[in-house]
Amino acid sequence: DAKTTQPNSMESNEEEPVHLPCNHSTISGTDYIHWYRQLPSQGPEYVIHGLTSNVNNRMASLAIAEDRKSSTLILHRATLRDAAVYYCILTESYNAGNMLTFGGGTRLMVKP
Amino acid sequence: DSGVTQTPKHLITATGQRVTLRCSPRSGDLSVYWYQQSLDQGLQFLIQYYNGEERAKGNILERFSAQQFPDLHSELNLSSLELGDSALYFCASSGTGTGSYEQYFGPGTRLTVT
Repeated sequence: DAKTTQPNSMESNEEEPVHLPCNHSTISGTDYIHWYRQLPSQGPEYVIHGLTSNVNNRMASLAIAEDRKSSTLILHRATLRDAAVYYCILTESYNAGNMLTFGGGTRLMVKP
Repeated sequence: DSGVTQTPKHLITATGQRVTLRCSPRSGDLSVYWYQQSLDQGLQFLIQYYNGEERAKGNILERFSAQQFPDLHSELNLSSLELGDSALYFCASSGTGTGSYEQYFGPGTRLTVT
């Protein structure tokens, strides 16, 4: 599996936008970019995923670089509930589903 | 609520024992995954089942085994337990087809081996 690189931790103020970066320079043409997060004492939670185009959903936006070697997860207004570890993961398209390879992720701290 | 259920929530047992963890996937999901989360190893993929058949294997020990039943629920069996097996065990499920599908995780089973 292609690897991703994320900062260990980031800090944000409540109600401000947060940009979480992810580098994936060895991404292949068929790899999807997934983001999951894990809140304290909970299981991982799906956030968003994309292949080439930017994506938006109710939780976040995903901005993918034109060369696909990096991406950014954007939380438009951070809340205290967004404090979690955020994981950027690459997966191949596979019609029976595909395992997730978690790295260390980015621990996001949100200050009131 | 992800729609994935896991039982039990907590399990405390002694070294050398055997336990079974149970997972019910979201309605309609054919793929089930098991992950282990320990303090020193982070989140690690163990095994995947798709519609009753083993589909992918990760860092799963030989003392561990899993199966998926016709009703699509899955069980993870851990035997000859060691102190190092103490961890959180998560089950996840996903849809299937062309493209890439998100996984939905259960709340986990916390296993403590004493």
